[in-house]
Amino acid sequence: GAGVSQSPSNKVTEKGKDVELRCDPISGHTALYWYRQRLGQGLEFLIYFQGNSAPDKSGLPSDRFSAERTGESVSTLTIQRTQQEDSAVYLCASSSGRLAGVEQYFGPGTRLTVT
Amino acid sequence: DQQVKQNSPSLSVQEGRISILNCDYTNSMFDYFLWYKKYPAEGPTFLISISSIKDKNEDGRFTVFLNKSAKHLSLHIVPSQPGDSAVYFCAASPGAQKLVFGQGTRLTINP
Repeated sequence: GAGVSQSPSNKVTEKGKDVELRCDPISGHTALYWYRQRLGQGLEFLIYFQGNSAPDKSGLPSDRFSAERTGESVSTLTIQRTQQEDSAVYLCASSSGRLAGVEQYFGPGTRLTVT
Repeated sequence: DQQVKQNSPSLSVQEGRISILNCDYTNSMFDYFLWYKKYPAEGPTFLISISSIKDKNEDGRFTVFLNKSAKHLSLHIVPSQPGDSAVYFCAASPGAQKLVFGQGTRLTINP
C-alpha cells in the first residue's frame, strides 16, 4: 500500500505568518509522530499520537507549535507566528503502534523556510 | 542533553570494504535500538534493529552489534556498495515508542 505522505513538500513563508503541515500515515497505523530536522542536525522529536490516548507533546519547542490528529488518520502540525529558527525539514512517521521499538515509517518531509 | 551520540559526522570507505558506523548512548533505560538510512530529499528508511536482550543481529550485508556495558552500538556493512552512500542515523527507544535519534553519520562509498 501507499507509504506516509506529507504536504506540502516545500513551504516558504514570511516571519510571523502561520503555517500548517499535513501528514497522511500508512493506513491502519495507530501511532503517528512528528520530528524536525534542522540543517546539519539529527531528528528532533516533537509530538506522538497513539490511538485515542492523549498525545505526548513533550518535544514541542514552544506554545507556537501544536498538532492535531483526526482519529487514526490525518495529522496537521501548526506553527503560529513563525520565526526564522523554525526553518527545518518537518518529518512525519507512523507505526503499527504495537510493542515498543517497532520501526517507524517516515514520509519525505516538508521543508519549511521562514524568511 | 544528547542521549544518543554519533561522534563521526562523516565516513569515507572504499567500495568492497567494510563500513563501521558507531553510536553511543547514555540512557540505560533504552531497550531497543534501530538504524535508519536517509537519502537527500527523502525520509529516513528503516534498516535494521536490535533488542537489548541480544548483542548481535544480522540481515544480509548489515550487522548491528550492541555492547550494553559500554552503551555502544555499531552498524557493519560488508561489502560496502556505492548505493550505501547516505546519512545513517542510530535511534534508541526507551520502551515508550518515542525514538531518540543521533545526529547522523554521512557515509560515502568510493568506487
